Amino acid sequence: GQQLNQSPQSMFIQEGEDVSMNCTSSSIFNTWLWYKQDPGEGPVLLIALYKAGELTSNGRLTAQFGITRKDSFLNISASIPSDVGIYFCAGFSNTGNQFYFGTGTSLTVIP
Amino acid sequence: DSGVTQTPKHLITATGQRVTLRCSPRSGDLSVYWYQQSLDQGLQFLIQYYNGEERAKGNILERFSAQQFPDLHSELNLSSLELGDSALYFCASSVGLRESYEQYFGPGTRLTVT
Repeated sequence: GQQLNQSPQSMFIQEGEDVSMNCTSSSIFNTWLWYKQDPGEGPVLLIALYKAGELTSNGRLTAQFGITRKDSFLNISASIPSDVGIYFCAGFSNTGNQFYFGTGTSLTVIP
Repeated sequence: DSGVTQTPKHLITATGQRVTLRCSPRSGDLSVYWYQQSLDQGLQFLIQYYNGEERAKGNILERFSAQQFPDLHSELNLSSLELGDSALYFCASSVGLRESYEQYFGPGTRLTVT
């Protein structure tokens, strides 16, 4: 099935640094979601985006729904050790009526 | 805690066997989704049910089947198991089809086929 391209694949950053990751698709999506997954746990919803161009924040996290509807971005400001985990984007298409998940970005924060 | 429960947490079984994974959605959620996550494949959508009816199918093998019961809990049945079926299986739920696309995931069932 279709998978979204997420980049970077992994990141190693110092505590306090800002983080940016993005997700791209060859198809248009109506909804973009961002999840964080800790090892052995289920993904936890961070942010949901429903309109092209929408910019939404959740604490230190900010995500944007790309204007083309084919991409989305997630930024984390002032990273802390508990930000460690794998971040997934997910896109929902009304046409296919199903979600497609990104390949994940593994984030390591060095104290 | 997302409110979605899955049992069992771990399952170890042999090739050729059949297992059933169970999921209870968040209170009030009508949609249930099943996903498979393996190391080299990421999260793969398997199937979605809404209020007891199948709504969307993803990469679900013919050896796998699912259903959603009147009380809205769902079961994923995996049969003729192969080594490659070893993975984390997640259930997620959402309010409905169009009211909310926000899915909330359960803690997963780790299946090991030996």
